[in-house]
Amino acid sequence: EVQLVESGGGLVQPGRSLKLSCVASGFTFSNYGMNWIRQAPGKGLEWVAYISSGSSYIYYAETVKGRFTISRDNAKNTLYLQMTSLRSEDTALYYCARHEAITTTANWFAYWGQGTLVTVSS
Amino acid sequence: DVVMTQTPVSLSVSLGGQVSISCRSSQSLVHNNGNTYLSWYLQKPGQSPQLLIYKVSNRFSGISDRFSGSGSGTDFTLKISRVEPDDLGVYYCGQGTQYPNTFGAGTKLELK
Repeated sequence: EVQLVESGGGLVQPGRSLKLSCVASGFTFSNYGMNWIRQAPGKGLEWVAYISSGSSYIYYAETVKGRFTISRDNAKNTLYLQMTSLRSEDTALYYCARHEAITTTANWFAYWGQGTLVTVSS
Repeated sequence: DVVMTQTPVSLSVSLGGQVSISCRSSQSLVHNNGNTYLSWYLQKPGQSPQLLIYKVSNRFSGISDRFSGSGSGTDFTLKISRVEPDDLGVYYCGQGTQYPNTFGAGTKLELK
């Protein structure tokens, strides 16, 4: 069974940093690209970032480019999201989701974690 | 960025009824490999989104045939027949043809 478990969320002050993790199990992690998707409270879904299976291809939403860094450790079956210069508008539930398409430049999300909540507030 | 426009914003349905949700994209979702990466998700209250349909009309594993997707280019539709209580929640369309991937704002399905 595919499982994705996020952690690392919490309350953080504006301008500070936070690192999220997503531990994967039930599939060969190193064979799949991965994504971070977020959902602000009461709002819709916003794709945040993608990383290919071997970390060769990385894409970001413009809203986080230059502030967030997606990475992965295939030996640990773990996906990361390093978030810096956090803003109130980054407050959201952050999901990791597996990339399903064979093509790096195409995407849909069959498996999602339960999410980890990031709250940016003073 | 590709803008995804869903209509209606909300829907009221009787159990056993049928509904359709529309999703329009601001650009064609045909990838340069010829596939169209339009997917549909259901988010039930307090849960993570779940995939229903991918590549316009392919039902994900375990998804009832009461759910069907159709469309092409920029116009897409999700149809739900014989609505059951477990179908209630917010439905999102999403495009994965180009980055940034984008989602519609959602359609809330409620009981009449």
